[in-house]
Amino acid sequence: EVELVESGGGLVKPGGSLRLSCEVSGFNFNTYTLNWVRQAPGKGLEWVSSISGGNTYIYYVDSVKGRFTISRDNPKNLMFLQMNSLRSEDTAIYYCARTGGFRAFDIWGQGTKVTVSS
Amino acid sequence: DTQMTQSPSSLSASVGDRVTITCRASQNIRTYLSWFQQKPGKAPKLLIHTASTLQKGAPSRFSGSGSGTDFTLTINSLQPEDFATYYCHETHGTPPYTFGQGTKVEI
Repeated sequence: EVELVESGGGLVKPGGSLRLSCEVSGFNFNTYTLNWVRQAPGKGLEWVSSISGGNTYIYYVDSVKGRFTISRDNPKNLMFLQMNSLRSEDTAIYYCARTGGFRAFDIWGQGTKVTVSS
Repeated sequence: DTQMTQSPSSLSASVGDRVTITCRASQNIRTYLSWFQQKPGKAPKLLIHTASTLQKGAPSRFSGSGSGTDFTLTINSLQPEDFATYYCHETHGTPPYTFGQGTKVEI
């Protein structure tokens, strides 16, 4: 079964750090681009970051550039989002999602909640 | 960057109604447009990709159309389980990949 499972969320103070993980199973991990998408409480979806299968292409939304780092460990079927200098506006549920055929985000995890508050 | 304008932001409908949601892109995105359904507390679920192709497992009452800048999601004969929030999403070119603001379909 194809599955993405996020972990690592929690409560952190402004300026703090968190590392999110996305564990993948059920498909050939190396060949797919993976993404982080977030959703602030009561708000819509926001694409955050993408990483290609071979780590060649990495992109970020402007609001996290210089603070967040996406990475992946292909042998372990894991993707990460290192989040530093966290702000209250980073509070959200963070989803990992696969870019499938035709560039659609076809498989999503259940999300992990990040709360930035003093 | 491409901006996506989705309308309406919410709508009221009844079981059996036909519902139409539109999304307009700020530039030509060809058919790199997906539609998602999201229910409270759940992850988004892909319904339509490449503007008009029904994702495997999605009910056939959902359909999409459009290309370039103007796109439509239609739900024929709305069912109780269709009350949810719907998002369009563009994946043209390189990121950022923008979502529409969402449309909440309510009774």
